[in-house]
Amino acid sequence: GAVVSQHPSRVICKSGTSVKIECRSLDFQATTMFWYRQFPKQSLMLMATSNEGSKATYEQGVEKDKFLINHASLTLSTLTVTSAHPEDSSFYICSAISGLNTEAFFGQGTRLTVV
Amino acid sequence: AQKVTQAQTEISVVEKEDVTLDCVYETRDTTYYLFWYKQPPSGELVFLIRRNSFDEQNEISGRYSWNFQKSTSSFNFTITASQVVDSAVYFCALLAINTDKLIFGTGTRLQVFP
Repeated sequence: GAVVSQHPSRVICKSGTSVKIECRSLDFQATTMFWYRQFPKQSLMLMATSNEGSKATYEQGVEKDKFLINHASLTLSTLTVTSAHPEDSSFYICSAISGLNTEAFFGQGTRLTVV
Repeated sequence: AQKVTQAQTEISVVEKEDVTLDCVYETRDTTYYLFWYKQPPSGELVFLIRRNSFDEQNEISGRYSWNFQKSTSSFNFTITASQVVDSAVYFCALLAINTDKLIFGTGTRLQVFP
């Protein structure tokens, strides 16, 4: 099946620094990518939806200046957590769909720890 | 508005028991997709099934089966003869074409004891 690669799988950063997470669709063109955040023992909360070449659509309550999403090509979307704080520590997961078959493929997730 | 409800937070069964995980959804779209995913402790989401809104046929895949009922907006998942390896969190999700959002339920944690 199709593969979505998310990198890095784990990252520890200092408070105040920025962290970039990459999400790549390896063998298909992702017309839409989703970014989720998951707290321990909770569900996946949709943060934003991004379509290639256009600005991301953020869910209510998600700070777009803090969580910068760029979907520059049909195979790559990035999430940058700017000026990270300990409360940003979480598990972030990306998902990509190809408009052709609408199956959603997920990355492996990134566990971010801000110290 | 879209919503996915998984009323069962946690289920514990003994190996070889059958177990059904409930999923109820809400959407105003007539074209949508429903999914089930498994999330083991590693965190990675494992795709189990996708069903579109025009296909109400039930599906069986090995020990897994799914019952899609549009009349009750439900898409329930049954594991027959459960095994310890089935222990995980299971998520039901909805993708409505017009809103273009993939929304997840709160998940059901299944524990299968030997």
